[in-house]
Amino acid sequence: GQQLNQSPQSMFIQEGEDVSMNCTSSSIFNTWLWYKQDPGEGPVLLIALYKAGELTSNGRLTAQFGITRKDSFLNISASIPSDVGIYFCAGYSPIQGAQKLVFGQGTRLTINP
Amino acid sequence: GAGVSQSPSNKVTEKGKDVELRCDPISGHTALYWYRQRLGQGLEFLIYFQGNSAPDKSGLPSDRFSAERTGESVSTLTIQRTQQEDSAVYLCASSRSYEQYFGPGTRLTVT
Repeated sequence: GQQLNQSPQSMFIQEGEDVSMNCTSSSIFNTWLWYKQDPGEGPVLLIALYKAGELTSNGRLTAQFGITRKDSFLNISASIPSDVGIYFCAGYSPIQGAQKLVFGQGTRLTINP
Repeated sequence: GAGVSQSPSNKVTEKGKDVELRCDPISGHTALYWYRQRLGQGLEFLIYFQGNSAPDKSGLPSDRFSAERTGESVSTLTIQRTQQEDSAVYLCASSRSYEQYFGPGTRLTVT
């Protein structure tokens, strides 16, 4: 099936640092979604992107829909301990169809106090 | 408002037994999705419902897996003759449009 390549797989940072992660695909996507998953919980939607080039913020989080429609980026500014978790990108592509959400493998964020 | 709920939260079963997992979507959400998440992995699409119909069953791993939805509401995912490889967290999500909202999942352990 179609794959989303998410990187990095894991990050170890100091509290207060900025974080950047991205997701790429070999084919175009129509919609990008970014989720955060805490241990023992389901993923929680952070940001949704619908147009190429779109830049959207949610508090300290900023995400962008790449202009080529094949990638997306998530940045977290001034990280705090509650940012710890696994971040997933996900998207809908014309190939997979309007209802099939494809997920990346996740970026595990660890913060050293 | 109420989010997506799933039950049970944990299920331990013996190999060969059948299990039934339940999902209650957000009220008014017409689409419902089931995913499987193995330990340390991303989410694997299983099946989705639009209303009570399942247009895409392509993700179901084998004929031991089946799902149904009634009343455009509750859905059940049934795994027959469970195998150890079925051990995973099973997540349900619902949506009105493109944004899917997830439940907390059911952790299934097959011994």
